[in-house]
Amino acid sequence: GAGVSQSPRYKVAKRGQDVALRCDPISGHVSLFWYQQALGQGPEFLTYFQNEAQLDKSGLPSDRFFAERPEGSVSTLKIQRTQQEDSAVYLCASSLQVWTGGWGNQPQHFGDGTRLSIL
Amino acid sequence: GQQVMQIPQYQHVQEGEDFTTYCNSSTTLSNIQWYKQRPGGHPVFLIQLVKSGEVKKQKRLTFQFGEAKKNSSLHITATQTTDVGTYFCADISSGSARQLTFGSGTQLTVLP
Repeated sequence: GAGVSQSPRYKVAKRGQDVALRCDPISGHVSLFWYQQALGQGPEFLTYFQNEAQLDKSGLPSDRFFAERPEGSVSTLKIQRTQQEDSAVYLCASSLQVWTGGWGNQPQHFGDGTRLSIL
Repeated sequence: GQQVMQIPQYQHVQEGEDFTTYCNSSTTLSNIQWYKQRPGGHPVFLIQLVKSGEVKKQKRLTFQFGEAKKNSSLHITATQTTDVGTYFCADISSGSARQLTFGSGTQLTVLP
C-alpha cells in the first residue's frame, strides 16, 4: 500500500490480557517509530527501530511493553498484563533516512493508529 | 526532558478569520516540524523549519521559526472549514533516533 498500515484499528481488552498491535510501514522506510497518544494530547514517543535494530526504547512506560521488528519491515508492539492506563491510541510512523552530510530529518508518515481500550 | 508548550489549547474562529498557534520551548529547538491531525485521523506532516528566523509559506499558511530557535508559529489567513483539526509543533531529537517531541497541540474549530 501507499501508506503506513496499522491493525487492528480498534482493540478492546480486559485488564490483565495481553495485546499485540501491528504496523506495516511504507516500503523502503528504514526508520520506524511507535508513539502513544492520550485523548487531547500530542503523541508521545515510545520506541524507535532502524531496520531490525531497536535503537531507542527509552519511551516505553514499563517492562510490560515490548516491540520488535525482526525482518526490518513489519513491527509489532506487545503489551502484557494490560492496565486501564494503557488505554490510548498507538500510532506507528515510518520515515526515510537520507544522507545529506549527516542523517537529515525526514517527515514521519503516520498510520491511522490502533485505539486500545482496556476495560 | 525537552518540553514544548503550545498555545492556545483551543481556538474557535468564524470562517474567513485568521488563526495563529504558538509553540515555545525553554531550551533551544533543533528543528521544528508542524503536523495537522484531523478529527479521528492521524498526524500529517506540513513543513519543517531548520534555520533561525526562517519563514515559509504554503498558500494560506505561514510558518515562522524564532531568531533564538526557542519558538515557532503557524498563521492561517482567511480560515476555511477544511482547516479544522489539531495543529502540532514537534521538536526533533538530536539523537540518532530523531524522534519527535510533540507540543500539546491547538485544536482549531472553524464556524461556517
